[in-house]
Amino acid sequence: DGGITQSPKYLFRKEGQNVTLSCEQNLNHDAMYWYRQDPGQGLRLIYYSQIVNDFQKGDIAEGYSVSREKKESFPLTVTSAQKNPTAFYLCASSTENTEAFFGQGTRLTVV
Amino acid sequence: RKEVEQDPGPFNVPEGATVAFNCTYSNSASQSFFWYRQDCRKEPKLLMSVYSSGNEDGRFTAQLNRASQYISLLIRDSKLSDSATYLCVVILTFTDKLIFGTGTRLQVFP
Repeated sequence: DGGITQSPKYLFRKEGQNVTLSCEQNLNHDAMYWYRQDPGQGLRLIYYSQIVNDFQKGDIAEGYSVSREKKESFPLTVTSAQKNPTAFYLCASSTENTEAFFGQGTRLTVV
Repeated sequence: RKEVEQDPGPFNVPEGATVAFNCTYSNSASQSFFWYRQDCRKEPKLLMSVYSSGNEDGRFTAQLNRASQYISLLIRDSKLSDSATYLCVVILTFTDKLIFGTGTRLQVFP
């Protein structure tokens, strides 16, 4: 089945640790996105990538990093510089101004 | 000013009611428009695309007004299952950048 997969579904991080969230798609989409959602809030764009080996900062990129070495994969690293990382993280993909498809999300909690 | 703005609601309506949401966007270079539905603690899912000529899908009607830079979503004969958050999405020309509104929460009661 074609789709977009995020893992893990739940992730716990100790303060000061880096963690990497996985996002894989087999839809052959060029563009991929990472969003953060806080309780009762909308989606805020962290990073997006229109093509392999290229990505742009979104509105809240500080404390995060990404890579796009393969078309299918767009991992997000939440670094220790992100002071308030507890949130729901959503990955999406799309192609040529068409609708975006989302993964099921990763809930990150700092313990 | 936010690039995409929505009234956060909540809109509390009885079953069978008609309810409308608006979403305004600030960038005239916006090219594509969508409405998404998000249930609590789930990922957003596409409800419908919004075309220049307007489009309808069952009880749902979406319209685009480029001159005034807003899109709308009309839900007729509301069902309990329509209770969710409705997000409008704008894609900027040439960038593939998807920008979400903050969402409008709808609660349909019996």
